[in-house]
This record gives sequence, C-alpha cells and structure tokens, in this order.
Amino acid sequence: EIVLTQSPGTLSLSPGERATLSCRASQSVSSSYLAWYQQKPGQAPRLLIYGASSRATGIPDRFSGSGSGTDFTLTISRLEPEDFAVYYCQQYGSSPPSYTFGQGTKLEIK
Amino acid sequence: QLQLQESGPGLVKPSETLSLTCTVSGGSISSSSYYWGWIRQPPGKGLEWIGSIYYSGSTYYNPSLKSRVTISVDTSKNQFSLKLSSVTAADTAVYYCARNDFPGGGMDVWGQGTTVTVSS
Repeated sequence: EIVLTQSPGTLSLSPGERATLSCRASQSVSSSYLAWYQQKPGQAPRLLIYGASSRATGIPDRFSGSGSGTDFTLTISRLEPEDFAVYYCQQYGSSPPSYTFGQGTKLEIK
Repeated sequence: QLQLQESGPGLVKPSETLSLTCTVSGGSISSSSYYWGWIRQPPGKGLEWIGSIYYSGSTYYNPSLKSRVTISVDTSKNQFSLKLSSVTAADTAVYYCARNDFPGGGMDVWGQGTTVTVSS
C-alpha cells in the first residue's frame, strides 16, 4: 500500500503570502492519479486539483499543483483569508485498486 | 446541480452493523465514468476511503476494511448504500458519500456528511 506523507503538519502564513504544501509518496504514483482537497471546519472536503496539476471546476487560478513520481506540491500563489484550512493529498493505486489520503497539512493564519 | 445526501442512524451499538444510504439528486447515478464512494473521518483525524461502486454493481473496497464492508447500489432509487459490520468505537466518524471520477479524477461532489457514533 502506498503511504502519502504531507509536510509540514502546520503552516503559518499571512494573507498575500505564497504557500507551498508537500505530499511525498512511499513509492511512485502516476501523476494522473494524484489529487488535492481543501477542508474547512465542519465542511466536506472540496476537490481542488486532480491529475496532479488540473484544477477542478470553479477553483481559482491561485491554486496550482505540480510534481511527479513520489513528490508532489500544492502551491497557493497569494493567500486569501478563505484559503486557511486543512489540505489533503490523495492517490489512486491499482494493486489493489484503492485510494489513500495523506494525513493533512493545516494552513493557519500567522 | 448534483447533490448527495447521507442518511442513517447516528448511533450504533458495538458489534452491530452500521447502515447508511446516499441519495443522489440533480443527476443520474447511472452516469458512465463515475463511481460513487464512501469516505469517513474520525473526530479530529484525517480522511479514510472506505470503498466505491459503479452503477453496474462493480465495487472496490479499502483492503483494511474489506472484510466488514458491503456497498450496494439501487439505480431505481438513485441511491447507494454502505454496510459496515462488527463496529467498534474506532468506527465512530463523520461518514461522507461522494461522486468518484474513477480512477484519477478525484472525488468531485460530496455530501455534507453524517456523524455516526458507536456506543452502547
């Protein structure tokens, strides 16, 4: 089973700053099968990025995803107040067919 | 606009079976290319995928839960359901249903989630 490790656990930044969140896989992941989600307290997760770099419908272009192999990154170019939340990466693996999530990165206001 | 809504008991006794249903509205559960999934989140913890089903009945389960999980679909009611047997306190969580753009498109539409507590 592929394990996803996200870092840092908590990231403290100010609005307007750039955020870089990391997701590292224990073995190579197909870029086509890597997604990122945002979750705010009391809400369901929201899909941000799929296929490592494709923005989901309605997601602002300040959110971007990149990476390949075992290292993936979610970048938020200029933080807005509504961006402070928990972010999860997720991968699909085919042997056996299953999804796993990272443990999450909390992005908090500094 | 596609919407998903979870329903079911909020309290389940240890060793019993947890049963939840997800009702899909604003679209058909029989849409090609989409699976329908269950994900849970224990209090204060991260997300765990439970399993996904296609409208034809084809299923994929989390290997760690596979022995206790059954996911089924009722296309006539536009619903899919989760059964988790032999529950313990560790199964206490918010349970979400979601549309799953299988395999790599992510889970793009989510229900609001329902809290299930396992306690006697």
